[in-house]
Amino acid sequence: AQSVAQPEDQVNVAEGNPLTVKCTYSVSGNPYLFWYVQYPNRGLQFLLKYITGDNLVKGSYGFEAEFNKSQTSFHLKKPSALVSDSALYFCAVRDRGSNSGYALNFGKGTSLLVTP
Amino acid sequence: ETGVTQTPRHLVMGMTNKKSLKCEQHLGHNAMYWYKQSAKKPLELMFVYSLEERVENNSVPSRFSPECPNSSHLFLHLHTLQPEDSALYLCASSQLETSTGELFFGEGSRLTVL
Repeated sequence: AQSVAQPEDQVNVAEGNPLTVKCTYSVSGNPYLFWYVQYPNRGLQFLLKYITGDNLVKGSYGFEAEFNKSQTSFHLKKPSALVSDSALYFCAVRDRGSNSGYALNFGKGTSLLVTP
Repeated sequence: ETGVTQTPRHLVMGMTNKKSLKCEQHLGHNAMYWYKQSAKKPLELMFVYSLEERVENNSVPSRFSPECPNSSHLFLHLHTLQPEDSALYLCASSQLETSTGELFFGEGSRLTVL
C-alpha cells in the first residue's frame, strides 16, 4: 500500500517569511513524490516532483521540496512567502514498483495562509 | 488552462435524478481518472481508464457509473445519489508511457445532492 500523511490542517506564515508544508510517505518500494496546489474553485495544479537524483527539487513559483529517505519525508518549502501563495497544498505518492496503475495517492491537503 | 475541461462546473440534483459529468482532455493523453474531493479528506481515487479500458475501480458504489468512449472523453453517470455524495469531482489525465509523469487536472464539477 502507498500513502502520504500531511500532519497539519493549516499553516500560517507572515509574508516574506520562509514557509514549510510537511509531508511524510509510506510505500513498499521507492517512491515518486509530487506536490500540487489548489486555489479556490480551481482544480489541482502541479508544482514539482521527485523521481530520482538530487534530493532538493525545484518547482514552479519559487517552491522547492526536499526528499529525505531516512525520514520518509518530502516537505515543501519556499524561502519567502507571498500572500498569493495562500491556497490548499496536496502531497501525493506513487510507488514505482506498484501494479496499481499510474494513479497517485493524495494526502488530505494543508491550507496555507500567508498574511500581509 | 490545463488542457482538461470539465462540465458542468456546478450541479445540483435530487436523489432520484440522473445526471452526467463530462470531462474532455486536449493533451493527447491515454489515461484518464476520476477523483472525489471532500473537505478535510484525502482525494479519493474512484476510477482509472487506461487506453479506454477501466483498469481500476476503488470500491465505488454502483450509483456512480463511468464511461470512456475514447481517449479524449470521460463521463461519470450519476443515479440515485445520496447527500453524502456531495463533493467536488475532479477529472485528470496522464500519458501512460511516462510512469513518472504528473496528472493534469480539470477544474472540477461541484456536485450538491439534495
